Amino acid sequence: ILNVEQSPQSLHVQEGDSTNFTCSFPSSNFYALHWYRWETAKSPEALFVMTLNGDEKKKGRISATLNTKEGYSYLYIKGSQPEDSATYLCAFEGGSEKLVFGKGTKLTVNP
Amino acid sequence: EPEVTQTPSHQVTQMGQEVILRCVPISNHLYFYWYRQILGQKVEFLVSFYNNEISEKSEIFDDQFSVERPDGSNFTLKIRSTKLEDSAMYFCASRRTGGQPQHFGDGTRLSIL
Repeated sequence: ILNVEQSPQSLHVQEGDSTNFTCSFPSSNFYALHWYRWETAKSPEALFVMTLNGDEKKKGRISATLNTKEGYSYLYIKGSQPEDSATYLCAFEGGSEKLVFGKGTKLTVNP
Repeated sequence: EPEVTQTPSHQVTQMGQEVILRCVPISNHLYFYWYRQILGQKVEFLVSFYNNEISEKSEIFDDQFSVERPDGSNFTLKIRSTKLEDSAMYFCASRRTGGQPQHFGDGTRLSIL
């Protein structure tokens, strides 16, 4: 059974703080690792698709790294803003079509 | 920006009734998916659909479930005889090719009474 774990489950930070969270996934049969940002009552928004070991991707203040050999990815947010408050999901894509999701990290940024 | 649209946003149905959830994927996408999230649990894969047939399904996707692409735009999920445990948020997703992000709709909240 494929298992994707995210930590922490929830995080409260102050505006301006930088933060990071972790996604761990199986290191075998790896094809891609997806990060999504999910606000309540909206659709999950794709942030990154990462495929290569050592990959780093950046979108504004958000960046992500990937280690496929040890099976983890980090998502970083620099200078958090209240509008960054959301649940951040990672999803593992192996040798099939499906995405296997973690439970998410719920980020709350206090003004 | 093109998006995946789902209707209805909320569906309330009596146990044992049939329900059809509708999705309009992004127009030039070729791969279509259904996922669900039971409250408090992970988002779970149900089924993938490509070239007018199911390409993969999970063990959740039993004989009570079916999918259809009846025309060039809609992609539907039918649950034939709903059970209480089918209550969940159901998400449709699509993508153009493998290795690209799957784009999700806003979901349909299905409540079985």
